[in-house]
Amino acid sequence: EDQVTQSPEALRLQEGESSSLNCSYTVSGLRGLFWYRQDPGKGPEFLFTLYSAGEEKEKERLKATLTKKESFLHITAPKPEDSATYLCAVQDPEDYKLSFGAGTTVTVRA
Amino acid sequence: GAVVSQHPSWVICKSGTSVKIECRSLDFQATTMFWYRQFPKQSLMLMATSNEGSKATYEQGVEKDKFLINHASLTLSTLTVTSAHPEDSSFYICSAPPDRYNYGYTFGSGTRLTVV
Repeated sequence: EDQVTQSPEALRLQEGESSSLNCSYTVSGLRGLFWYRQDPGKGPEFLFTLYSAGEEKEKERLKATLTKKESFLHITAPKPEDSATYLCAVQDPEDYKLSFGAGTTVTVRA
Repeated sequence: GAVVSQHPSWVICKSGTSVKIECRSLDFQATTMFWYRQFPKQSLMLMATSNEGSKATYEQGVEKDKFLINHASLTLSTLTVTSAHPEDSSFYICSAPPDRYNYGYTFGSGTRLTVV
């Protein structure tokens, strides 16, 4: 069974204070690791897909990296609008099912 | 990009009644739709997978007679919560898998169900 563990559970940052979120996973034959942003009462919003170790992707203040056992989401100089819950998920190697981590709730104070 | 339109956004119903949630894929065809539920401060838990033209497959522990899923067309999947009880109160979200045009899974905006 796929296991996805995210840490920390919550992160409080001052505006401009860079930090990283961790997503560790156990899956045999990774088909894809996904990062999503979820605002309260909304559905997840797609951020990145990573497929192989060493891959990196960037979008504005966010950068996602992938190793064989974990992924990091780096938030550089965050702004209050970056406050959200960030979800990590891995795709089952047999089909399209996703297994989600519990998420990291990021709060950025002005 | 791909959009999945989910309705209603929120619904309040009485115990014992049924509620239908709709997810429509806009500008693309979704032969598969995943249905999740999410409790407060918890992550998404997959309930079932609907496939156009065939029966849905349910995850272990999900009552198929309580959560009826229909995928009658390539653009519409529905989840009906039958004989709802307060413990069914949750946030329900649908999602279409990636295809050759969309790299990520596309999620609906979610439905907040409150059973009173």
